[in-house]
Amino acid sequence: NAGVTQTPKFRVLKTGQSMTLLCAQDMNHEYMYWYRQDPGMGLRLIHYSVGEGTTAKGEVPDGYNVSRLKKQNFLLGLESAAPSQTSVYFCASSRPDRVDNQPQHFGDGTRLSIL
Amino acid sequence: AQRVTQPEKLLSVFKGAPVELKCNYSYSGSPELFWYVQYSRQRLQLLLRHISRESIKGFTADLNKGETSFHLKKPFAQEEDSAMYYCALSEAAGNKLTFGGGTRVLVKP
Repeated sequence: NAGVTQTPKFRVLKTGQSMTLLCAQDMNHEYMYWYRQDPGMGLRLIHYSVGEGTTAKGEVPDGYNVSRLKKQNFLLGLESAAPSQTSVYFCASSRPDRVDNQPQHFGDGTRLSIL
Repeated sequence: AQRVTQPEKLLSVFKGAPVELKCNYSYSGSPELFWYVQYSRQRLQLLLRHISRESIKGFTADLNKGETSFHLKKPFAQEEDSAMYYCALSEAAGNKLTFGGGTRVLVKP
């Protein structure tokens, strides 16, 4: 049982390049989330999805796009990378009710550097 | 909008000493509060949640609605407790979390 898997783990981009981060979960969770983690600022929500085919903006959505074509996958895209997007990106998933003892399950993170 | 504040960026304590990580929140409704921990080179994981009223790895946290706080405490810190700790708030389980800025705990031998 892999839980939440993020690919790639590391990536270096040049300003203006584009890329897609992939998040996959095998727990049949309805909800999925993308966060970025920056020193002193904790984790901030970029976008989230409450089900297949639906997405919504979080706290810091600018410069990012997402897609949830399949329930198990949540993709985060950077169309034109900027140095300010240098960060560690975390994906998480959860069930939409109070039964689960661990509300959100996190991936290992993707360390992204924009030069 | 909800907000979570962790005033200490770094806490350095000696092994065996008590440790308390402060967390204050602002939210108009009835929030659910969590503490997440991230050990070096590991993924973020849930440490405890206020509705469970459990003690995990010797840590406890009590929700004080009057003071809007959810401080994390451990009476005797261990070296393996060195990690990054995040307080988080959710309107409901499964909903999006609002995280505090995090507190790095360093337990010295």
